[in-house]
Amino acid sequence: EDQVTQSPEALRLQEGESSSLNCSYTVSGLRGLFWYRQDPGKGPEFLFTLYSAGEEKEKERLKATLTKKESFLHITAPKPEDSATYLCSAKNGNQFYFGTGTSLTVIP
Amino acid sequence: DAMVIQNPRYQVTQFGKPVTLSCSQTLNHNVMYWYQQKSSQAPKLLFHYYDKDFNNEADTPDNFQSRRPNTSFCFLDIRSPGLGDAAMYLCATSRLMNTEAFFGQGTRLTVV
Repeated sequence: EDQVTQSPEALRLQEGESSSLNCSYTVSGLRGLFWYRQDPGKGPEFLFTLYSAGEEKEKERLKATLTKKESFLHITAPKPEDSATYLCSAKNGNQFYFGTGTSLTVIP
Repeated sequence: DAMVIQNPRYQVTQFGKPVTLSCSQTLNHNVMYWYQQKSSQAPKLLFHYYDKDFNNEADTPDNFQSRRPNTSFCFLDIRSPGLGDAAMYLCATSRLMNTEAFFGQGTRLTVV
């Protein structure tokens, strides 16, 4: 069954404490792996697209990586404004599969 | 500069009373999507348009319909809203089927 699983469901970090969010996928014929940030009551905001294993993308304190089975979103020295839910989505053919997200809280 | 605009942001409707949610885009993207997202759940794709070609997900209830009169606009019609249809409805666009999606701010639907 094609699906996307994110872990952990929730993560609390002290400001400056680096960590990683995991996205495991069992989507056949992957056409793209997408990371989004979603703030409460708002639509998801696009962060990264990864298309092939070994690919990496960086933006400020965030870095996304991709293997054949999973993707990681690394957060380096997070700040309170990084608090949000991070969604992962995998695409094959015409189907988008979303995970349920990791809710990140960064404590000052 | 909002690129995907959803109206209204909040909608309250009565049980069984038809309601329409709207979405417009300034990106000139080919693909437009409607998602339903309930609290702490992943967005669930209801349907999408590639240009004028409509694609309905197999498990989307018949109660949900969509219209795309032109490239810029897309509407979600809920013919007879039930209490279980209360959710955030997200519109998104993408240039192609395998490129990133840009989401609107969503419409929070409450059914009373």
